[in-house]
Amino acid sequence: AQTVTQSQPEMSVQEAETVTLSCTYDTSESNYYLFWYKQPPSRQMILVIRQEAYKQQNATENRFSVNFQKAAKSFSLKISDSQLGDTAMYFCAFMKRRGAQKLVFGQGTRLTINP
Amino acid sequence: GAVVSQHPSWVICKSGTSVKIECRSLDFQATTMFWYRQFPKQSLMLMATSNEGSKATYEQGVEKDKFLINHASLTLSTLTVTSAHPEDSSFYICSVRVGAGIQETQYFGPGTRLLVL
Repeated sequence: AQTVTQSQPEMSVQEAETVTLSCTYDTSESNYYLFWYKQPPSRQMILVIRQEAYKQQNATENRFSVNFQKAAKSFSLKISDSQLGDTAMYFCAFMKRRGAQKLVFGQGTRLTINP
Repeated sequence: GAVVSQHPSWVICKSGTSVKIECRSLDFQATTMFWYRQFPKQSLMLMATSNEGSKATYEQGVEKDKFLINHASLTLSTLTVTSAHPEDSSFYICSVRVGAGIQETQYFGPGTRLLVL
């Protein structure tokens, strides 16, 4: 079974700073996807970024980028020039490419951006 | 991404009653939808996979007779909490599976808060 671990329950940074959220996972699969979802106080889950495991190039979406280390099974999220609207719970998630395409979520990291 | 709605967004009911939650894919025909449950300050736990035109697949430990799922069309899946009790109070979220292969992603509805008194 796959497991996803987020070791930072809470983080807090000042606006405009850069912050990195950690995520590690355990799997025996070779083909899979990794995701970061954001859940603001409204509790709406929002896709932030996705990464295909076969791609060596790290995914980027504007201020959001990932550091994907497949051998280490690590998938961290970097938020540059953080904004107040980035305040949210962030969940790392894993999905196998074959078989049941279920998302397995980490425990989440509560990120607070301070003015 | 896909636009997903849920109705109702908030429901309060008495213990012993049944509650139906709707999940609609507004701009995408979804053969597969998922239902999650989230307790306060916790992560999402998958309850079941809803497949259009067939029976849902439930995760281990989820009572299928308690949480009835119907996916009768490509745009609508419903979750019915039967004979609800206070311990069923939670935040229920659905998602839609979009794309295939390397494009596959899940998009989520806004969630439904259920409070059973």
